[in-house]
Amino acid sequence: GAGVSQSPRYKVAKRGQDVALRCDPISGHVSLFWYQQALGQGPEFLTYFQNEAQLDKSGLPSDRFFAERPEGSVSTLKIQRTQQEDSAVYLCASEGGNGEYGYTFGSGTRLTVV
Amino acid sequence: QQQVKQSPQSLIVQKGGISIINCAYENTAFDYFPWYQQFPGKGPALLIAIRPDVSEKKEGRFTISFNKSAKQFSLHIMDSQPGDSATYFCAASKASGTYKYIFGTGTRLKVLA
Repeated sequence: GAGVSQSPRYKVAKRGQDVALRCDPISGHVSLFWYQQALGQGPEFLTYFQNEAQLDKSGLPSDRFFAERPEGSVSTLKIQRTQQEDSAVYLCASEGGNGEYGYTFGSGTRLTVV
Repeated sequence: QQQVKQSPQSLIVQKGGISIINCAYENTAFDYFPWYQQFPGKGPALLIAIRPDVSEKKEGRFTISFNKSAKQFSLHIMDSQPGDSATYFCAASKASGTYKYIFGTGTRLKVLA
């Protein structure tokens, strides 16, 4: 597609529930990133994929967070046993890998844990 | 050392005025400095970016000024318009697309009609 697509746009989860957030990057983009944006804050890095390889997961806040990109295109961010502090907007971005144009972000998934 | 400090937190400018947002970094390994614009409910969108080998880059009404020795860079929006009202984030990384961005905390800009 023309842009980065994320679904769902909004997700309300009860505390302790597992959630899965989906990202469809721009076709052909090898690099894919997940960021977490708390209300009124800048995005914070979670994890980075180059094709199907997860090259950096240093930003994942706990072992309840897991990301995958099995075929090098669509990616899923999974959060197990959600907690209230997980409430945030989760942004996905992709980049063509040529280093010239920066990231293209999706509109994000707003997760609210109640 | 990984932080990017951004100021001001909020900014109000009259239509036609100049909006200036400043950022400072510590890590001298950073070599790519993008600015993103974010509207409510949307993801950040790349506005303009600069590498340390130039001191200034201009694209339309948007200009980045870069001071490598001071480890500071700024965004200037000339002839600010109400449609520019948004949150602006500076960021820094070691290389575009191959390393994570460190974002500033954002500046909420309001341009009065």
